[in-house]
Amino acid sequence: GDSVTQMEGPVTLSEEAFLTINCTYTATGYPSLFWYVQYPGEGLQLLLKATKADDKGSNKGFEATYRKETTSFHLEKGSVQVSDSAVYFCALSDRATNKLIFGTGTLLAVQP
Amino acid sequence: GAVVSQHPSRVICKSGTSVKIECRSLDFQATTMFWYRQFPKQSLMLMATSNEGSKATYEQGVEKDKFLINHASLTLSTLTVTSAHPEDSSFYICSASRRDGIRNTFGSGTRLTVV
Repeated sequence: GDSVTQMEGPVTLSEEAFLTINCTYTATGYPSLFWYVQYPGEGLQLLLKATKADDKGSNKGFEATYRKETTSFHLEKGSVQVSDSAVYFCALSDRATNKLIFGTGTLLAVQP
Repeated sequence: GAVVSQHPSRVICKSGTSVKIECRSLDFQATTMFWYRQFPKQSLMLMATSNEGSKATYEQGVEKDKFLINHASLTLSTLTVTSAHPEDSSFYICSASRRDGIRNTFGSGTRLTVV
């Protein structure tokens, strides 16, 4: 079945460092891809998404490009802030059912 | 934008009692609602999918008699954890979806602790 694999955390960075969180997927069809963020004590928020190959999703300085050839959707940010500390989930969505399949999440800790 | 309200945000209950969690779409009609469970330091696992007016579809391994899901209207779905036990303690989160555009808007989650 469809699945999502993302790098294990925790990822610990200093403020203003460059961030990459890797995400790869397996899917039988052409899924939509998402990054969700979960801040401490809160629910999930959609961070960005891409619905087809070569689409780039971006929001709040974060970017991810839908790479069909490598089945990847890596999350990047050029300069992280302490307020970016959270758990980041990569996910794919089956177009027909809207079901989301999540990766295991990556904890990001940004230190001042 | 689309807003989903989930209530309560935290609940502590005694072992053997039942707990109801509500998920409401505030500004759109949700034809489908999903219920997820998140174990500590793990990902969200889909428990069930509910379509308005029909029985929920449960994922493999989820006990439908223990986790009762009702989706009686286009704006409300409820999850009832029956005869709760400490191992049911978890973070439960819903998401609502509309067929024609608004997809997978999450509630803020419910932290259930069974003592």
